[in-house]
Amino acid sequence: DAKTTQPPSMDCAEGRAANLPCNHSTISGNEYVYWYRQIHSQGPQYIIHGLKNNETNEMASLIITEDRKSSTLILPHATLRDTAVYYCIVRVYNQGGKLIFGQGTELSVKP
Amino acid sequence: GAVVSQHPSRVICKSGTSVKIECRSLDFQATTMFWYRQFPKQSLMLMATSNEGSKATYEQGVEKDKFLINHASLTLSTLTVTSAHPEDSSFYICSYRGDTEAFFGQGTRLTVV
Repeated sequence: DAKTTQPPSMDCAEGRAANLPCNHSTISGNEYVYWYRQIHSQGPQYIIHGLKNNETNEMASLIITEDRKSSTLILPHATLRDTAVYYCIVRVYNQGGKLIFGQGTELSVKP
Repeated sequence: GAVVSQHPSRVICKSGTSVKIECRSLDFQATTMFWYRQFPKQSLMLMATSNEGSKATYEQGVEKDKFLINHASLTLSTLTVTSAHPEDSSFYICSYRGDTEAFFGQGTRLTVV
């Protein structure tokens, strides 16, 4: 799996958009970008995934650059409950097997 | 999505005793489950892959005799921390890898005193 790089921490004001970047410059053609988050003392939670087109669901939007070397997870209106560690993982789609976590970005949403 | 139930959510045990953590898949059959460990302020570290009906596969540096994994059915995988010591205190999480995403248990906070 390709390696990802994320900033260790970010702050965001409540109600504003949170934009979390991820670099994955060695991503290969059949690898998807996945995002998970982990709220303190809980198991991780799936957020969204994408290949090359931008994706949106009820939780977030995923913007992938045209060269696919980086992506941004967008929480459009961050709330205090979005405070968590966000993990960007690159993985081949529909392939079983282990999921390896990097260090992630600790997002603090402040009132 | 798939539901993974992990029990207990937290446990305190004395040094030298063993602790069993259960991970159940409630609405699907899991031939493969994954066990992670997470120390404070650190990311999740994969410990082992649990395969139904066969031996688990352990990651490098994880002692298989200390962390016993049993996956006797398609809905239950267990992790037993044997002869626990304070350095085994950690957050343990099980996971099932679905077709498109992974599902995680709520985690077990183990404290060895």
